[in-house]
Amino acid sequence: DAKTTQPTSMDCAEGRAANLPCNHSTISGNEYVYWYRQIHSQGPQYIIHGLKNNETNEMASLIITEDRKSSTLILPHATLRDTAVYYCIVSVSGYALNFGKGTSLLVTP
Amino acid sequence: GAGVSQSPRYKVTKRGQDVALRCDPISGHVSLYWYRQALGQGPEFLTYFNYEAQQDKSGLPNDRFSAERPEGSISTLTIQRTEQRDSAMYRCASSLEWGNEQFFGPGTRLTVL
Repeated sequence: DAKTTQPTSMDCAEGRAANLPCNHSTISGNEYVYWYRQIHSQGPQYIIHGLKNNETNEMASLIITEDRKSSTLILPHATLRDTAVYYCIVSVSGYALNFGKGTSLLVTP
Repeated sequence: GAGVSQSPRYKVTKRGQDVALRCDPISGHVSLYWYRQALGQGPEFLTYFNYEAQQDKSGLPNDRFSAERPEGSISTLTIQRTEQRDSAMYRCASSLEWGNEQFFGPGTRLTVL
């Protein structure tokens, strides 16, 4: 599976949109982009995934560039409860997920 | 409904002892996954089952680690002759089918003295 690069940490003001970038320049055509998050010491929580098209659900939006070499997870109105580590994962299988170190997002009042 | 449960939540053992970690997936979930998470790192894939069949064990670090899911429900991850480097959080996840959203349990914190 392709490697991903994410910033170590980011801040976001409560109520504003949080835009979390991810680079996956070596992604292959059949690999999906998955996003999970982990709040404190809890188990990871699935957010969203996509292949080529942009995706939106009740939690977030996923924007994938046309060349698929990068993507952005958007939390439209961040709340304090969105403070977590966010993992961008590229996988063809969808099961053998290797999470990396992720981005630590701090939402501030 | 109930989520993924794991037991014990904490396990302290002495080096050289065997440990068995249990995972009880969400009822009806076909696929079950084991991960290991070191401090400050994201989870690392260990192995995966569809029903009772172990489909991929490529992430198991060595032959001291084994897993089973004999009836396609509860799974046990066994570590033989534990070493200090085995200390970590061991997480189990399940999904309705292969490749679907994975639901994670609370984990078992293993400490090897």
